[in-house]
Amino acid sequence: GQNIDQPTEMTATEGAIVQINCTYQTSGFNGLFWYQQHAGEAPTFLSYNVLDGLEEKGRFSSFLSRSKGYSYLLLKELQMKDSASYLCASYTNAGKSTFGDGTTLTVKP
Amino acid sequence: GAGVSQSPSNKVTEKGKDVELRCDPISGHTALYWYRQSLGQGLEFLIYFQGNSAPDKSGLPSDRFSAERTGGSVSTLTIQRTQQEDSAVYLCASSLMLAGAGEQYFGPGTRLTVT
Repeated sequence: GQNIDQPTEMTATEGAIVQINCTYQTSGFNGLFWYQQHAGEAPTFLSYNVLDGLEEKGRFSSFLSRSKGYSYLLLKELQMKDSASYLCASYTNAGKSTFGDGTTLTVKP
Repeated sequence: GAGVSQSPSNKVTEKGKDVELRCDPISGHTALYWYRQSLGQGLEFLIYFQGNSAPDKSGLPSDRFSAERTGGSVSTLTIQRTQQEDSAVYLCASSLMLAGAGEQYFGPGTRLTVT
């Protein structure tokens, strides 16, 4: 089966660093995506991990450990506009995706 | 270039009526996904089309839900005899599947309200 777990809510301060964790149990796992979703908007792609290790894209980095079924999204130099929901999604080798319920991040001044 | 488009953007319907939701994926994208998102919830997978392969319908919540994809492009999600619990935002996404999974590009969604 497919199961994705991530924290429901997190709060951080502007300029700080925050790590959002995600654990998954996915049969036929192929890769893991992170999406950002602002309230009332559609999700937008942030990062994609297939192999173990860290992928860095500007202020955002994502890490994957396939053996542990674990990923995290790291956001640096937080800005107020980073307040959003962050969705973790696992993909199978057949292309099917399972999304977590999302982590609502609130960035405070 | 043009992104994923969906229509209508909003739909209010009476319980028991049928509705059709349309999705135009990005040109050339072979994979198309339908999801449902209730307020404050994550995305619930509904159905997935990949090229000419038979669709993965494993996420459809009941036999009132069906979807088609004509000519490998436009897709229509049909909900028959709508119920109040069908009220949600229905999101469509497409991706360019060369090998394995690809980044999904989401449309703006259709907000369905069943009264």
